Amino acid sequence: DAGVTQSPTHLIKTRGQQVTLRCSPKSGHDTVSWYQQALGQGPQFIFQYYEEEERQRGNFPDRFSGHQFPNYSSELNVNALLLGDSALYLCASSPDRGFPNVNTEAFFGQGTRLTVV
Amino acid sequence: SQQGEEDPQALSIQEGENATMNCSYKTSINNLQWYRQNSGRGLVHLILIRSNEREKHSGRLRVTLDTSKKSSSLLITASRAADTASYFCAHPNSGGYQKVTFGTGTKLQVIP
Repeated sequence: DAGVTQSPTHLIKTRGQQVTLRCSPKSGHDTVSWYQQALGQGPQFIFQYYEEEERQRGNFPDRFSGHQFPNYSSELNVNALLLGDSALYLCASSPDRGFPNVNTEAFFGQGTRLTVV
Repeated sequence: SQQGEEDPQALSIQEGENATMNCSYKTSINNLQWYRQNSGRGLVHLILIRSNEREKHSGRLRVTLDTSKKSSSLLITASRAADTASYFCAHPNSGGYQKVTFGTGTKLQVIP
């Protein structure tokens, strides 16, 4: 089991460009969440996908969008990049055991380090 | 912000000593989780304690939870250089699936 895999590992983009980050969840997991972690901070929840739909969203602008595919893999898209979007982007997968049972751990990928210049 | 806080922000100890990190949170919770992060890479899940539990052990890790004080502690006994990492507490937001709110983290350095 490869666990959660993210690509690419590192990425440098220019302000105003668009970027797509990819995530493959752990085998058997159907829920994918994305987090942004600025340097020296804890991860901030961006959104969560389940059954190919955005189920929850954090306090992020519409420039941040996502997608989940039938095989549960997911993409995070960020448009009109700002310097402040530079961060480590983490993907986490978990099995959905039905609300309100939230006593499940999330498995994280190694992240994509995005630098906007 | 609903983000919790870890205390201390940074901790430096000698190998073999015990390390204690504390976490405070602001909302009611179903569970609280502790994660470790090495060098700004992915997070590794360490332990989950449910809201009806007061203490939980896993190897050299001991976690306590006090829901009346909205606080938790992580104790690492007999620390090793390999324990050097940042440690985060996190909890699912009430009313929301697995959306997880992370604290600000404690940076632990274990000196050989």
